[in-house]
Amino acid sequence: GAGVSQSPSNKVTEKGKDVELRCDPISGHTALYWYRQSLGQGLEFLIYFQGNSAPDKSGLPSDRFSAERTGGSVSTLTIQRTQQEDSAVYLCASSFLRPLDTRSYEQYFGPGTRLTVT
Amino acid sequence: AQSVTQLGSHVSVSEGALVLLRCNYSSSVPPYLFWYVQYPNQGLQLLLKYTTGATLVKGINGFEAEFKKSETSFHLTKPSAHMSDAAEYFCAVTFSGNTPLVFGKGTRLSVIA
Repeated sequence: GAGVSQSPSNKVTEKGKDVELRCDPISGHTALYWYRQSLGQGLEFLIYFQGNSAPDKSGLPSDRFSAERTGGSVSTLTIQRTQQEDSAVYLCASSFLRPLDTRSYEQYFGPGTRLTVT
Repeated sequence: AQSVTQLGSHVSVSEGALVLLRCNYSSSVPPYLFWYVQYPNQGLQLLLKYTTGATLVKGINGFEAEFKKSETSFHLTKPSAHMSDAAEYFCAVTFSGNTPLVFGKGTRLSVIA
């Protein structure tokens, strides 16, 4: 079946501009995660959605970052007033939750969006 | 709080040699442990995981890992390296289903012909 997809694959933007990154999770997956991968910081958790619960935003680095998930499926990560330190690869992952199913722990990753802020 | 330490940011092995990538974790509760592989310009692919039960877990591409609670380790091994194994490998931990993963810094594996 189709995996996690992300768009765009590459984004170059000028400092101060807003950007939107999109994630399409695997159909039926109730949990969706955003991570950021950068040379200096490695892989960092940003935000996590589980079903209809309030998202866990504890990993967002500043209030310039926000995300939403519409209809329990597609998610958009928005970065306002981009800064050069926002340059990174943004990875999205999804997983499902079924009691007693150990595959519930498996997160499936998309190919990422490479963001470059000039 | 949980954390993961991967010893060695870069490991180089000869083709056909043993691959050993080290991972130690810190967790106040029973952990769930994962190894992911990342090829250039691609996302992360799950190699194997430990949740409960058997401590020696086998994954894809001939890799396996052993959960050793006493050593808080989850080292990744493969008996014979192949050129196609060259990639970045990440160890990760979480403490329950569907919660964010905490990743190690990664180990880049090079395979020499």
